[in-house]
Formats: sequence, structure tokens, C-alpha cells
Amino acid sequence: EAGVTQSPTHLIKTRGQQVTLRCSPISGHTSVYWYQQALGLGLQFLLWYDEGEERNRGNFPPRFSGRQFPNYSSELNVNALELEDSALYLCASSLTRRTEAFFGQGTRLTVV
Amino acid sequence: SQQGEEDPQALSIQEGENATMNCSYKTSINNLQWYRQNSGRGLVHLILIRSNEREKHSGRLRVTLDTSKKSSSLLITASRAADTASYFCATDQYGNNRLAFGKGNQVVVIP
Repeated sequence: EAGVTQSPTHLIKTRGQQVTLRCSPISGHTSVYWYQQALGLGLQFLLWYDEGEERNRGNFPPRFSGRQFPNYSSELNVNALELEDSALYLCASSLTRRTEAFFGQGTRLTVV
Repeated sequence: SQQGEEDPQALSIQEGENATMNCSYKTSINNLQWYRQNSGRGLVHLILIRSNEREKHSGRLRVTLDTSKKSSSLLITASRAADTASYFCATDQYGNNRLAFGKGNQVVVIP
């Protein structure tokens, strides 16, 4: 069974540009989470989608947004990129709320 | 506020020794989870312990949960070089739709 897949794996963008990151959850999983992990830091919670709806978002500016599609895949959009947005963006899925989360390998975003 | 704070931050041990990490949190939880991360890539789920459980085992891993002290510990017995990684605890917070991660513990197992 395929795990959580994220695309692309690496990305280089210029400050001010926009980026879209994609995540496909494990088949049957309805919850999708997004996290930002800056170099050497812990995971900062970005967004939680469940059953197609945004259930919670972390303390990030509105230029961070996303959505979950009817097939439970998800996109994370970041507008007006800033240098400090450079990080590893991790997506995870779980069967339902309150169960263990399975992570993808992440998208490493570099903003120059 | 930061939920899930592991202690100590870095641990270096000899292969075969045991490694213990602690995690504290501030609010009520539904469950607490431990994850491992190798080389800054995706996290691997290790174990989930529910709020009504006190201890759980999985192979060489032993997790305890003390909800009265709002703390958890992860014990890795008979460590191996392959256990070298960062270990994170995460809390599924009661009444809050998020899985909140701590800052992580770097464990280095010396062969």
C-alpha cells in the first residue's frame, strides 16, 4: 500500500512568488495535516483538514492557505513568498481524528 | 504555547545502552504520540498512548504516560546505531483540532 506522497520533493522559488505543494494521503485516510519545519527547529502546525473541511489552522499569516479535495488529497498554497518561508513542509494523514498520523517525505522549499 | 517539550534536547549513548526521553505538556489530551525523524525527512510513527493508558510497549520501545503530571517518557532499550535520529512527542489536545509537536530530542548512538 502506498504511503503519503508529496510533490514536488524540492523546490526553489524567488521571494514574492507563489507556490503550491501537493499531498496524497494513504488510501482511506480522511484527515490531512500540514506542518512547517524550519532548519533545526520543531514542527510548526499549519493546517488540519478532515472530511474536506478545514478544522484548524496554526499561527501563520493568511498567505498560507490550502484545501482538501473530495478524494482527500490536499494542497498547500503560499503566496508572496518570504525568505523565512524556506523550510521542509510535511504532510501527514490519518484514518480518522485521534489516530496515528503517517507522514510523507516532505517538500523542501528554498526561497531566494 | 508550545505543547510537548522533550527533555533532554540531545543525548549521546553507546550502542547497547538504554535511552530515555521525557515530554511534558500543558493541556488535557486525547492521546500522546512519539515519532522518529531521520536526516530531516519524514517522520515515522512509533507509538500512540491514549489518555486512559499508563504504559505501552512496542518491541524495544516503552512509553509511559502520567496524566496527573502531564508528562510522558520514551525508553529505547538496547540501542542500536540505527536508532540515531530525532525523536518527537506530539499531543492530540482535547478540545483542540491539532496534533502539537515538541521541539525534538536528538539521539546519537555510538557504535
